[in-house]
Amino acid sequence: GQQVMQIPQYQHVQEGEDFTTYCNSSTTLSNIQWYKQRPGGHPVFLIQLVKSGEVKKQKRLTFQFGEAKKNSSLHITATQTTDVGTYFCAGVNNDMRFGAGTRLTVKP
Amino acid sequence: DAGVTQSPTHLIKTRGQQVTLRCSPKSGHDTVSWYQQALGQGPQFIFQYYEEEERQRGNFPDRFSGHQFPNYSSELNVNALLLGDSALYLCASSFLAGPTGELFFGEGSRLTVL
Repeated sequence: GQQVMQIPQYQHVQEGEDFTTYCNSSTTLSNIQWYKQRPGGHPVFLIQLVKSGEVKKQKRLTFQFGEAKKNSSLHITATQTTDVGTYFCAGVNNDMRFGAGTRLTVKP
Repeated sequence: DAGVTQSPTHLIKTRGQQVTLRCSPKSGHDTVSWYQQALGQGPQFIFQYYEEEERQRGNFPDRFSGHQFPNYSSELNVNALLLGDSALYLCASSFLAGPTGELFFGEGSRLTVL
């Protein structure tokens, strides 16, 4: 069945540094969603990517969907302490499968 | 506009017991999905309810069952609890069944099985 792998598992950065998390699916996806979960909180929807090669930006966050619709990435430019949390991708095909997440910590 | 609400927020059970968790979806949403999130892991899909029927199910045993009421609220029941059932149980609501819509998650119910 479909598997969604996410790397790295952890990332610790200095405030102001960039951050990237990668998501790879074993099967072609119809779309992919990204969520952020703050420590002690619940996942909150960030964005959905549908088209092959799609790139979307939200302020300092850039989301990409691969040409083959099997991988995706989230890049944060100039991280801030408010970016702390775990970022999950969720691959959608016949169902929605979440990756294990990348936990981001930011040192002020 | 109330978001997704879940109850209880925390509970402790012992092995072999049964538990019922409750969820009220976001106003205007008709579909409820349940997820299990173990510590340090991503949410794992349990099942989805739409029009009071289970529409999709993840890889969970029959000990996990659910129900959706006419007002779209939902319950998750887990029988014969195991230590491994300890997790955060998340309810997510959306509009229309299927996996493609944006999910709105509740704060979750943290279950500890001793």
